[in-house]
Amino acid sequence: AQSVTQPDIHITVSEGASLELRCNYSYGATPYLFWYVQSPGQGLQLLLKYFSGDTLVQGIKGFEAEFKRSQSSFNLRKPSVHWSDAAEYFCAVGRRTGNQFYFGTGTSLTVIP
Amino acid sequence: DADVTQTPRNRITKTGKRIMLECSQTKGHDRMYWYRQDPGLGLRLIYYSFDVKDINKGEISDGYSVSRQAQAKFSLSLESAIPNQTALYFCATGRESTDTQYFGPGTRLTVL
Repeated sequence: AQSVTQPDIHITVSEGASLELRCNYSYGATPYLFWYVQSPGQGLQLLLKYFSGDTLVQGIKGFEAEFKRSQSSFNLRKPSVHWSDAAEYFCAVGRRTGNQFYFGTGTSLTVIP
Repeated sequence: DADVTQTPRNRITKTGKRIMLECSQTKGHDRMYWYRQDPGLGLRLIYYSFDVKDINKGEISDGYSVSRQAQAKFSLSLESAIPNQTALYFCATGRESTDTQYFGPGTRLTVL
């Protein structure tokens, strides 16, 4: 069975500091991998996705993520966090057959001045 | 105009009432999904539809039913609402190839 783990429920960082949000997945083959962001009261917006090729993917808002097959991980990073990045972040795994997603439980990010 | 719309955005109802949540999309996608979001549990798939004649149960379909009235419309019904169905509900769409899912703004449902 597929599963997605986001081990950090909540993270607090200072504005301007670097950020890394962790995501691990359990899946028998190389999945499709996604990061979504949910701002308060909003729906989910895609930050970036990995299907194949270069394992370092760039997304919107200055985010990037790296797929590491050996670690079954797809961690999200940003070199310098802005106050507007405060939100809930979800990692998702998609199967290569069928169009189903499995979401992690989310990481809530607080940014302090 | 938004590509994926959900109505209503907020709803408060009582136990035992029938509730319908509606989703419409202008993206031309064949595939549509209903999720619920609960604090600490992330998003869980309720039902999904690959086209008008293809509807499938997701992880937590008990207590819910759906109707795909057209390519662009996918409704979620709670035949007899109960308090533990209080949650934030999201509709999403996607193309046939495994690709990004596009989410609506959500419907906040409270069952008293």
